[in-house]
Amino acid sequence: GAGVSQSPSNKVTEKGKDVELRCDPISGHTALYWYRQSLGQGLEFLIYFQGNSAPDKSGLPSDRFSAERTGGSVSTLTIQRTQQEDSAVYLCASSLVGPQPQHFGDGTRLSIL
Amino acid sequence: AQSVTQLDSQVPVFEEAPVELRCNYSSSVSVYLFWYVQYPNQGLQLLLKYLSGSTLVKGINGFEAEFNKSQTSFHLRKPSVHISDTAEYFCAVSDRPSNLFFGTGTRLTVIP
Repeated sequence: GAGVSQSPSNKVTEKGKDVELRCDPISGHTALYWYRQSLGQGLEFLIYFQGNSAPDKSGLPSDRFSAERTGGSVSTLTIQRTQQEDSAVYLCASSLVGPQPQHFGDGTRLSIL
Repeated sequence: AQSVTQLDSQVPVFEEAPVELRCNYSSSVSVYLFWYVQYPNQGLQLLLKYLSGSTLVKGINGFEAEFNKSQTSFHLRKPSVHISDTAEYFCAVSDRPSNLFFGTGTRLTVIP
């Protein structure tokens, strides 16, 4: 497909477990973003990747959250020792360089039991 | 840092009536403005964007928005809404590539 792809679409896990969320951006988009959307709230910026530059991690809520982007394409967001407050929809977006619109995936709905 | 205010968390409107969803942002030298729509269980889709040029921007699905620098606003309008317009609408502002600041969203409900 031509859009941003995220997997899994839904993830249910027990408190304390680690989870990995995957994002495949649109081909050719060098910028990649992760956001968190909690129930009834707006989007919270988590992290931004641009090409080979150091990522902007200023939005990560704690050191349990980390993300990497391999080969300038696929990105993985990892949450260690999950807590119930981590339950949310995690959205990935990609864009071309500059003030360009971001294209979003459908998100991963994460539920922590 | 930029901030975005969407004063109306919910807007009910009858089908075929006009609607305006309000968005205000904190001032900056230059900003780029966006409206996104989110349908249930989906990601965000771009409705329209303002990068430069004409302050009246037309987007998809009959929506338009007007950039007003003096009032730091970017209100979204549609002259006649349809049932299918029921969704969550997010205003967003960017002053540099790495940061897109979103408002808390406005839930538009179109009533038959």
